[in-house]
Amino acid sequence: EVQLVESGGGLAQPGRSLRLSCAASGFSFHDYAMHWVRHSPGKGLEWVSSISWNSRSILYADSVKGRFTITRDNAKNALYLQMDSLRAEDTAFYHCAKDDYRFLEPWGWFDPWGQGTLVTVSS
Amino acid sequence: QSVLTQPPSASGTPGQRVTISCSGSSFNIGGFAVNWYQHLPGMAPKLLIYTNNNRPSGVSDRFSGSKSDTSASLAISGLQSADEAEYYCAGWDGSPVFGGGTKLTVL
Repeated sequence: EVQLVESGGGLAQPGRSLRLSCAASGFSFHDYAMHWVRHSPGKGLEWVSSISWNSRSILYADSVKGRFTITRDNAKNALYLQMDSLRAEDTAFYHCAKDDYRFLEPWGWFDPWGQGTLVTVSS
Repeated sequence: QSVLTQPPSASGTPGQRVTISCSGSSFNIGGFAVNWYQHLPGMAPKLLIYTNNNRPSGVSDRFSGSKSDTSASLAISGLQSADEAEYYCAGWDGSPVFGGGTKLTVL
């Protein structure tokens, strides 16, 4: 069974950092692109960042560009999101999701998704 | 504001057929595929429809998708109380993009 489990969320003050992790199992992690998507009540789903299977192609939403860094460790079947200079508007549940392709393709889709980890940015 | 526009809410009674629209442009829906996701409170979002009109295994055939030009639609037939959730269209506009979401209420 394909499984994605996020961790690393918590409470952080504005301007501080958090590092999220996503542990993958049940599939050949190194063969697929991966994504981070966040959800906060009243704001809906917001795509955050994507990374290709070999880390050579990476995309960020404008709202996090320059502050967040997506990485992956295929040997550890793990996806990461380093979140720096956090803002109140970054408060959300963060989900990792598996793509159906190796590369960041326009015709890909997110399946499955992890349950998410809650990030709260507040002083 | 997302480049994919969905109505914020929709509703229907049990057994009814409901459609949710997703409007975009030639830069996104008009040029690429549309996917649909269901998000139940407290749960992980779930893929409902991929590449415009395909259902993953395990998804009920009560759910169907369509696309025409720069718009897409999700139809839910035989509405059930368990269908009460938020529904999101998603596509590509230089990067992945989601619609604003539609909250479906089963009356």
